[in-house]
Parts: sequence; C-alpha cells; structure tokens
Amino acid sequence: ELKVEQNPLFLSMQEGKNYTIYCNYSTTSDRLYWYRQDPGKSLESLFVLLSNGAVKQEGRLMASLDTKARLSTLHITAAVHDLSATYFCAVDGVRYGGSQGNLIFGKGTKLSVKP
Amino acid sequence: NAGVMQNPRHLVRRRGQEARLRCSPMKGHSHVYWYRQLPEEGLKFMVYLQKENIIDESGMPKERFSAEFPKEGPSILRIQQVVRGDSAAYFCASSRSQVVHEQYFGPGTRLTVT
Repeated sequence: ELKVEQNPLFLSMQEGKNYTIYCNYSTTSDRLYWYRQDPGKSLESLFVLLSNGAVKQEGRLMASLDTKARLSTLHITAAVHDLSATYFCAVDGVRYGGSQGNLIFGKGTKLSVKP
Repeated sequence: NAGVMQNPRHLVRRRGQEARLRCSPMKGHSHVYWYRQLPEEGLKFMVYLQKENIIDESGMPKERFSAEFPKEGPSILRIQQVVRGDSAAYFCASSRSQVVHEQYFGPGTRLTVT
C-alpha cells in the first residue's frame, strides 16, 4: 500500500525560529507536491518538485526532494505568524495503478507560530 | 480567469437524503478530480473524470456514490442515502491536461449529515 507520512503532525513554533517538516513516502515516485491549507479554505500549491535533488524556495519556505531516500523536507526559516496553517505533501499514485492526477496526500502538519 | 468553482459551499442533509455537489472547472480545463477530506485528515482521491468519461474511480466507495462530467455543464458528485460518515469536505480540482502539477483546487463543499 502506498503511504505518505508526515511528521510532526502538530508543530508549535515561536516567531523567528527555524524548523523542518518531513515527508516520507513508500512509492518510487520522483514527483512531490507541497500544499498549504488555511482553516476552512482550499489548498494552495506551494511547491512542485519534479526530480531528485530538486530544491525550491519561496520567501521563508524551502522544499527539497531526495527520491533515493523517498524523503522531502519543508524548511521554515525565521517563522512568522502568517505561516500558521496546515501543510500537506502529496505524491502521485500512478505507479500503483492509478491514473495521473490521483494524488496521495499525507495527513498534514498543523503549524502554529506564536509571537 | 475564474478559478475552480464549487457549489454549494456548505450543504446540510439528513440521513437518507441525497447530496449533489457541483464543480465547474477552470476555463479551458477538461480534467476534473474529486477528493474527500475528513476532519483532521489529508485529502483522499475519489475519482478522475474527463468530459463524458470516468477515467479512474478507484477511490470511490462502491455504493451510494457516483460522479459524472457531462459534455455541457459542471461535474457532479452524487451521494445517495447519506450517512453521518459522509460528513466531510469535498474538493474538486481541475487541470488542462494529465500533468499533475497543473491541478487547481476549488474552495470545497462542506457536507454535514445530521
């Protein structure tokens, strides 16, 4: 069974601190996606990582992908309150007989940044 | 260019009633995906449709759930005889092609079964 596991599931941070969210997956997928979800809202695409070693940065967030280790990280630098949200990673399920577009999501990491 | 639209945004149904959720993809998009999100969980894939065709329904419960994407009009996810366990947020996404990173998500429909 294809599994996507995130940790931690809950993260409370002080403003200004750094932290990393981890996403492990059991497929051989070489593509991984990060999304942000605010309470009661839809999903916003943050990063699309399409190959081993891919690194992308946007503001205080940086995502990387190691396909050999089947691991992606989302690093938060100098957190601010506006980053409080739930962050999901996802891989495509096509290698498990699903179609393209069959995204498999982790359970999400609920991030709370406190002043 | 309007984004993916879903309606209604909130839907309350009593047990045994039918729920119809609608999704209008972005202009120019002919691929639609439905996902379900239970409280405190990630999204779970339900079904992938192109115009008039179901491409992958591997995530759909075998009974009571159906989906369509007609030649004209929105995609519809239909849940018959709803039960409390169907209470969730239902998101649809659309894309221009099968390239996954081009999926854009709608605002979701939050279904509550009383």
